[in-house]
Amino acid sequence: KQEVTQIPAALSVPEGENLVLNCSFTDSAIYNLQWFRQDPGKGLTSLLLIQSSQREQTSGRLNASLDKSSGRSTLYIAASQPGDSATYLCAVSGRGGGSYIPTFGRGTSLIVHP
Amino acid sequence: EPEVTQTPSHQVTQMGQEVILRCVPISNHLYFYWYRQILGQKVEFLVSFYNNEISEKSEIFDDQFSVERPDGSNFTLKIRSTKLEDSAMYFCASRRGAGEQFFGPGTRLTVL
Repeated sequence: KQEVTQIPAALSVPEGENLVLNCSFTDSAIYNLQWFRQDPGKGLTSLLLIQSSQREQTSGRLNASLDKSSGRSTLYIAASQPGDSATYLCAVSGRGGGSYIPTFGRGTSLIVHP
Repeated sequence: EPEVTQTPSHQVTQMGQEVILRCVPISNHLYFYWYRQILGQKVEFLVSFYNNEISEKSEIFDDQFSVERPDGSNFTLKIRSTKLEDSAMYFCASRRGAGEQFFGPGTRLTVL
């Protein structure tokens, strides 16, 4: 059974810092990995999707990498802003019968203060 | 930009009552999902739906739950007899192919 762990659980940083959020998973036989942002009491906003054949994806100030063999992904946020404050979730979709069924981590709660 | 919508945003019900949560997926998407998130906990998969039938379901999705796509646009989740522990945010999601899932804003279900 896939297990997804996100470290750190919470992070508080001053504006302008570059950040790295970590996601690890136990079963490396995955189809893809998706990073989401969740604002309090709200839905999930997709940030980046990395297919299993890819090593990284970039969107604006965000860069996500994937190392399947070690079961890890990182989300890099450059020049953080207060508007980046949210919970960041990692979701891994595995092979087999549940090929596109994602397993979510608990998330990293990020606060960027001015 | 197209988005997944969900109604209602908040539903309060008495234990034992039936509730129907509604979702309108993105129009050209083919795969549909329901998830739930109990307050302070992980997002959990409930069920996936493709080609007018359930393709996967979790152990949470027991006989009290059902899904339906009654027309070309709506996708519903029915809970027949709600329990206190069904209180959660329920998210609908959809995707077109082997790509990213797009989530709706959620319905907060409170069972009293």
